[in-house]
Amino acid sequence: KQEVTQIPAALSVPEGENLVLNCSFTDSAIYNLQWFRQDPGKGLTSLLLIQSSQREQTSGRLNASLDKSSGRSTLYIAASQPGDSATYLCAGYGSGNTGKLIFGQGTTLQVKP
Amino acid sequence: EAGVTQSPTHLIKTRGQQATLRCSPISGHTSVYWYQQALGLGLQFLLWYDEGEERNRGNFPPRFSGRQFPNYSSELNVNALELEDSALYLCASSLYRGANVLTFGAGSRLTVL
Repeated sequence: KQEVTQIPAALSVPEGENLVLNCSFTDSAIYNLQWFRQDPGKGLTSLLLIQSSQREQTSGRLNASLDKSSGRSTLYIAASQPGDSATYLCAGYGSGNTGKLIFGQGTTLQVKP
Repeated sequence: EAGVTQSPTHLIKTRGQQATLRCSPISGHTSVYWYQQALGLGLQFLLWYDEGEERNRGNFPPRFSGRQFPNYSSELNVNALELEDSALYLCASSLYRGANVLTFGAGSRLTVL
């Protein structure tokens, strides 16, 4: 059974710091990994998608990488801002066309001004 | 382009009642997914509809059901409500069956008293 672990569960940093969020899968057969952002009580906003043939994606201050051999992904946030405060979730598909995204529990980030 | 829209935003029911949640996908998207986000349990896959048919369902009892209409909108029905059904229900859509990127709506908050 594919499970996803995100470390740390919570993180508080001062504004301007660079930070790394981690995501690992029990089964390295993970496909099309996505990182999402969720503000309190809100829906999910897709940040980055790493397709199976890719190893990383970048968007602005965000960079996500995927190491399929180890089943690990990282989300790097450069020069963090208070507006980055949110919960960050990673999710991926296991094998088979099940339509089921498997989510981690998330990392709650607070960026202090 | 309008995103995924969900209604109602909030719904309060009592135990034993039925709840109906609705979702309109992005125009042109044919696949609709439902997820439950209960406090402390993370995002759990509920149902996947594509081209009007149920393609997969998660590990939920039969009182969770739904359907997809010819215009690709969808509704989720929860019968015989229990207290633990209180959660944020998120709907997502994708361009076609097997498409990689899911776009999520803002969610419907169901409270069962």
